[in-house]
Amino acid sequence: DVKVTQSSRYLVKRTGEKVFLECVQDMDHENMFWYRQDPGLGLRLIYFSYDVKMKEKGDIPEGYSVSREKKERFSLILESASTNQTSMYLCASSSGQGAYEQYFGPGTRLTVT
Amino acid sequence: GQSLEQPSEVTAVEGAIVQINCTYQTSGFYGLSWYQQHDGGAPTFLSYNALDGLEETGRFSSFLSRSDSYGYLLLQELQMKDSASYFCAVKDTGGFKTIFGAGTRLFVKA
Repeated sequence: DVKVTQSSRYLVKRTGEKVFLECVQDMDHENMFWYRQDPGLGLRLIYFSYDVKMKEKGDIPEGYSVSREKKERFSLILESASTNQTSMYLCASSSGQGAYEQYFGPGTRLTVT
Repeated sequence: GQSLEQPSEVTAVEGAIVQINCTYQTSGFYGLSWYQQHDGGAPTFLSYNALDGLEETGRFSSFLSRSDSYGYLLLQELQMKDSASYFCAVKDTGGFKTIFGAGTRLFVKA
């Protein structure tokens, strides 16, 4: 079974803090993704990576950065957290360029106060 | 712009059949996927259509018409455990990026 794990289920941070969300997958997948999920908006892609050290912007990259130093790990960084970044963050992975199935982690509920 | 439209809510009775529609307008198209998400859970993959037609997987079927930019998910013999949110998603031409709809909340009543 593919397993995607995220470092925290719940996180509370203050405005202006630097926040790190970590994601690890154990199936040697090439592709990894970060989404945020908000009610009524579905899942919106923040960044994705198709290889180590490679990253591509998604639809809403502003205020975020990512790091992929190892194949199994993909980190999302909020350089200076703001209240409008309060959301559910979901990490996912998939196996190749044409792979249609994404495997999701359990999510991190981030609250910025 | 790129968008996927699906109903926000659908209610059906246990044992019935329900269809969740999805229309899309995207700059590229590689395939249409469906995901299920229970409250508090992660989205899980249900089905994928790259070509026109019907794909069947047990009680769930998914249909695609590329000429109409339209697809649907059909759930048969509804069970209470099918109460969840269902998302359609389009994979773009490059094969990496996936755009999700806002989701359809399905309520199954006894």
